[in-house]
Amino acid sequence: SQTIHQWPATLVQPVGSPLSLECTVEGTSNPNLYWYRQAAGRGLQLLFYSIGIDQISSEVPQNLSASRPQDRQFILSSKKLLLSDSGFYLCAWRIASLHFGNGTRLTVT
Amino acid sequence: KNQVEQSPQSLIILEGKNCTLQCNYTVSPFSNLRWYKQDTGRGPVSLTIMTFSENTKSNGRYTATLDADTKQSSLHITASQLSDSASYICVTSGGSYIPTFGRGTSLIVHP
Repeated sequence: SQTIHQWPATLVQPVGSPLSLECTVEGTSNPNLYWYRQAAGRGLQLLFYSIGIDQISSEVPQNLSASRPQDRQFILSSKKLLLSDSGFYLCAWRIASLHFGNGTRLTVT
Repeated sequence: KNQVEQSPQSLIILEGKNCTLQCNYTVSPFSNLRWYKQDTGRGPVSLTIMTFSENTKSNGRYTATLDADTKQSSLHITASQLSDSASYICVTSGGSYIPTFGRGTSLIVHP
């Protein structure tokens, strides 16, 4: 069966520090991969998606970037975090429909 | 433009009562519609998925309906429990790589 792993679960980082969130998928090949962000009490905002290795599409201009160095690995990064980057980050994979990880709660202080 | 509208935005019910959540979509082309449950601080979990030809799909106390002609879906929760308190999100998929999300309905079940 397919599983998705996302870590860390929580993260507190100072403004200006770098960020790296990782997501891996098991049990499937060549999935579409997605990074979403969710502000408190709000809907999901699509940040990036990828249909293949090194193929990244950005949906919203951000202080963030994404990479897909391997088929089932998706990384969300930032060189310098802003306070506005705080939120709940979700990774998801898709063949027919979306399956989500458990998310990372990022607090930028 | 593809859109998914959910109503109500929030709902408070007493434990044991039934409730129905609504989802209207304008996604075209249409492939499937999923209802997700998202507990606070967790990722969304799929409850049901329906394709164009399906009218009803059940998962325990959750029953989803789909009317492809009117582009409406509903999620009915029977005999609500405290653990049903969560956000319920309607998501449609069509011909693109990007699913379309509703903003969700926040359900609170009181004892």
